[in-house]
Amino acid sequence: EADIYQTPRYLVIGTGKKITLECSQTMGHDKMYWYQQDPGMELHLIHYSYGVNSTEKGDLSSESTVSRIRTEHFPLTLESARPSHTSQYLCASSDVGAYNEQFFGPGTRLTVL
Amino acid sequence: GENVEQHPSTLSVQEGDSAVIKCTYSDSASNYFPWYKQELGKGPQLIIDIRSNVGEKKDQRIAVTLNKTAKHFSLHITETQPEDSAVYFCASNSGGSNYKLTFGKGTLLTVNP
Repeated sequence: EADIYQTPRYLVIGTGKKITLECSQTMGHDKMYWYQQDPGMELHLIHYSYGVNSTEKGDLSSESTVSRIRTEHFPLTLESARPSHTSQYLCASSDVGAYNEQFFGPGTRLTVL
Repeated sequence: GENVEQHPSTLSVQEGDSAVIKCTYSDSASNYFPWYKQELGKGPQLIIDIRSNVGEKKDQRIAVTLNKTAKHFSLHITETQPEDSAVYFCASNSGGSNYKLTFGKGTLLTVNP
């Protein structure tokens, strides 16, 4: 069973606050991802990482930033939250290999007032 | 880049009936096609996948078929149960990418008791 964790599960915060969404996996996967899921269900890739000290922007432009200092940890930070950042954020990971079987965490529901 | 189209966007069936969700992809180099199930309040969970060297794969009540020539693949759920109600996503590995998945926009399946 995939073990990938996200905290907090729900966050309600005021405009202008700095927030960090945590994502950890215990599978030793090299590749990790952040997706933003809009109310219409669609998944948008916003960041990914091939491994430690590697981060890349995804298909959807995002004001968030990420870091990958440890293999198991891939936090996402918003320096100044705005209502437009309200969304569901999903973290995923996958192993090295020819195919890209991704395992998802439970998600963080962010609401910015 | 890869484009994945998914139909229908919503599907309602009676318990015990079959459900079929169809996806098309654009990049003939794509060779891995996973299906994810997302229940309310949870992250997507991989339920079945198929690779391009196989035409069909089955796991109990779930089956996936792939037609490489036509560039389409389908999810078939037989003997549907209320717990099958969820959002289903198809995806492809974006032209054979070993890091990126391109997702369809999702299908909301409702199984009525």
